[in-house]
Amino acid sequence: RKEVEQDPGPFNVPEGATVAFNCTYSNSASQSFFWYRQDCRKEPKLLMSVYSSGNEDGRFTAQLNRASQYISLLIRDSKLSDSATYLCVVNNWEYGNKLVFGAGTILRVKS
Amino acid sequence: DTAVSQTPKYLVTQMGNDKSIKCEQNLGHDTMYWYKQDSKKFLKIMFSYNNKELIINETVPNRFSPKSPDKAHLNLHINSLELGDSAVYFCASSASRNGGYTFGSGTRLTVV
Repeated sequence: RKEVEQDPGPFNVPEGATVAFNCTYSNSASQSFFWYRQDCRKEPKLLMSVYSSGNEDGRFTAQLNRASQYISLLIRDSKLSDSATYLCVVNNWEYGNKLVFGAGTILRVKS
Repeated sequence: DTAVSQTPKYLVTQMGNDKSIKCEQNLGHDTMYWYKQDSKKFLKIMFSYNNKELIINETVPNRFSPKSPDKAHLNLHINSLELGDSAVYFCASSASRNGGYTFGSGTRLTVV
């Protein structure tokens, strides 16, 4: 079983739609959580950290459920520029700040 | 000013050759990493250095040897390249134990 599991998609949505991605992780010792975004042939870039209380950054909302070991990302009012691969990432400090990446969920926003 | 820079951006080489990839960060971060992204786009850690000390060494063939001359530089040398080494190699750095990473733009290695 992969340490971080994501639905690979692709999610094909129209502009303006709301879309949600989910992710589960297997290591209960994981202590930090992130969503990264990766555009085609580019490096991953940090989108946002994820906190237990939930956090929002503009159109993006991230949630963490430690009991279920589940992380989510909600994108409201999708833009064409949101098209990318979204990577769910967990950090196990016991291994020296090692980020473990999910395989990513592809989002395609169409006009 | 590029925060994490890798060279070269592209590398095409024949099987059996030895090659190096260089990485430098100007963010003042203590920790640097090498990740490999294969054709399935899966990002997997290879090595991590903290202040020039190796702290993570995943199951990587010993043909791969990282070297960190100082905390701002982390290089990757690969001996006897194989077809399966073809991938994008990303360097990254982080400031703290719980921080996110800043990635370099990647080195696309093709072994023919």
